[in-house]
Amino acid sequence: AQSVTQLDSHVSVSEGTPVLLRCNYSSSYSPSLFWYVQHPNKGLQLLLKYTSAATLVKGINGFEAEFKKSETSFHLTKPSAHMSDAAEYFCVVSAFGSSNTGKLIFGQGTTLQVKP
Amino acid sequence: SQTIHQWPATLVQPVGSPLSLECTVEGTSNPNLYWYRQAAGRGLQLLFYSVGIGQISSEVPQNLSASRPQDRQFILSSKKLLLSDSGFYLCAWSVSSPLHFGNGTRLTVT
Repeated sequence: AQSVTQLDSHVSVSEGTPVLLRCNYSSSYSPSLFWYVQHPNKGLQLLLKYTSAATLVKGINGFEAEFKKSETSFHLTKPSAHMSDAAEYFCVVSAFGSSNTGKLIFGQGTTLQVKP
Repeated sequence: SQTIHQWPATLVQPVGSPLSLECTVEGTSNPNLYWYRQAAGRGLQLLFYSVGIGQISSEVPQNLSASRPQDRQFILSSKKLLLSDSGFYLCAWSVSSPLHFGNGTRLTVT
């Protein structure tokens, strides 16, 4: 069965410092993995996706994530946090090896706080 | 380009009242459509998905139903709302990877 665990429910960083949001997954298949961002009372926006191509995936707004099969991890990073990065972040794994059915398994989310 | 519209943005309804949330997609044909619910402080839970007109799959037993009367229209309904139906409801679509979400409806059942 597929599952995803976001290791931190809340992360606080200062503006201009690096961001690390941790995610571990479990999948019986070669997974498709995603990171989404959600600003308050808004829908989810796709940051980046991994679908068995390059293991280092670059996304929007300067974010990137590295797929590490040996560690079953897909951590999200950004070299320098901006105030506008403050939001909820979700790590997502596709169920059944397919990203086309919408059977996505969402992590519980990590709230990123950016301090001035 | 494709867009997804979801309304209303917020809704306050009394217990026992009916519900109808609507979602439409523009700029694509035969999309897969989804309804997710996000309870306070929790992740997203898939409620329904549809791969075509009239085809609805339910992921969890609940007080809600879904319908797809047209290719790009997806409706979430309830005959009688419960307090536990409160939450943030998100519609999404996909043709292939990934999912694209609407802005959500904040439902409060009082």
